[in-house]
This record gives sequence, C-alpha cells and structure tokens, in this order.
Amino acid sequence: AQKVTQAQTEISVVEKEDVTLDCVYETRDTTYYLFWYKQPPSGELVFLIRRNSFDEQNEISGRYSWNFQKSTSSFNFTITASQVVDSAVYFCALRDLTGGGNKLTFGTGTQLKVEL
Amino acid sequence: DTGVSQDPRHKITKRGQNVTFRCDPISEHNRLYWYRQTLGQGPEFLTYFQNEAQLEKSRLLSDRFSAERPKGSFSTLEIQRTEQGDSAMYLCASSLTAGVSTGELFFGEGSRLTVL
Repeated sequence: AQKVTQAQTEISVVEKEDVTLDCVYETRDTTYYLFWYKQPPSGELVFLIRRNSFDEQNEISGRYSWNFQKSTSSFNFTITASQVVDSAVYFCALRDLTGGGNKLTFGTGTQLKVEL
Repeated sequence: DTGVSQDPRHKITKRGQNVTFRCDPISEHNRLYWYRQTLGQGPEFLTYFQNEAQLEKSRLLSDRFSAERPKGSFSTLEIQRTEQGDSAMYLCASSLTAGVSTGELFFGEGSRLTVL
C-alpha cells in the first residue's frame, strides 16, 4: 500500500530564511510520481512541483527546489528566501500507476508559518 | 473564472439529513475526482470519473455516499443520512486523462460540511 509521511507538523521561520519540508514515501511500484501541493487558508490545493520515479535529477524552479532520493524514499522540498505569502499547509503526494488510475495519496501536511 | 468550482462552499446540516455537493470541473478535463479532507489531515481519495463512467471508488465511500457525473461534465456528491463523522471538507479536482507524464490535478476550493 502507498503511504506518505510528513513528520514535520508545523514549521515557523522568519522571512528570507530558507526552509526545507521533509517527505518520505512508501510504494511497491517501480513507476510513480511525487508531487508537492500548497494549501493556503482559502482551501484550494495548488500544484507546485512533480517528479517521476525515473528521474532523480534535482531541479530548481524560482525559489523552489527539491531533492528526490530513491535510496531513502525521500522527496524533500525547499523554499529559498521565504516570504510571508508562502505561509500555508504543504502536502506531499504520491501517485502510482496501479490500476491505471490517477489517485493521489497525500501526507498529513506541514503547516509553514513565515513571519516578518 | 475557468478553474474548478464547487457549490456550496459551506453547508451546516443536522444529523440524519441528506446533503448534495456540486462540482464543475475545468471544461476540457475528462477526469473528475472527489476527495475528503478532515481537520489536520491530508485529502483522502473517494472516487473518480472518466467522462461519465465512475471508474474507482474508495472503501471510504460507504453506501450512504453516491457520486454521479451524468453527462461527463459537472458532478454531484450526495451524502444520505449524514453522521457527525461526515463533517469534513469535500474537495473536487479535475484533470486531463492521465498519461504517464502528467497526473496533475486541479482542485476546487472545497465544500465544507458540518454535521450537528
């Protein structure tokens, strides 16, 4: 069965600090996708990044970067130079191809608070 | 607004009553999903449709829950004989048919249900 663990319940940082959100996943599939979503107070989940299991190259997109390591089943997400608008709940999610579906398994989320 | 829209945004009902939520997906998306999110947890998959066909249902979807997408456009989620444990945010999402390279879901802002 798929499982996503986000051990950090809440993180508080001061604006302009870098912050890393941890994610550990479990799946028996060899083909899968990992995602990070942001949920601001409005409630709408906003897609941030996606990584497939075949590509362990880590990338940077603006202030976002991620570190995908299959050996440790981790998919950590970093926000550089955090801003108050980054305050939200961040969810890591796993999608495998079992049954050909598009079901996402989410972690419990990390509440990020960025203060002035 | 061309995003996913959900109605109503908030619903307060008494235990035992029936409630219905509506979701209008992004118009060109043929897949539609329902998730449930309780306080402090990540979204949990309930069901999804490919056009008008309901292709997968979670075991979380008890007999009191029914979802439809009659014309392959909007969807409704009905809960009969509501219980206090049904109190949650019900999230709708849509996507294009999943290829191995995508899987991104676009979420609405959710319908929050409170059962008294």
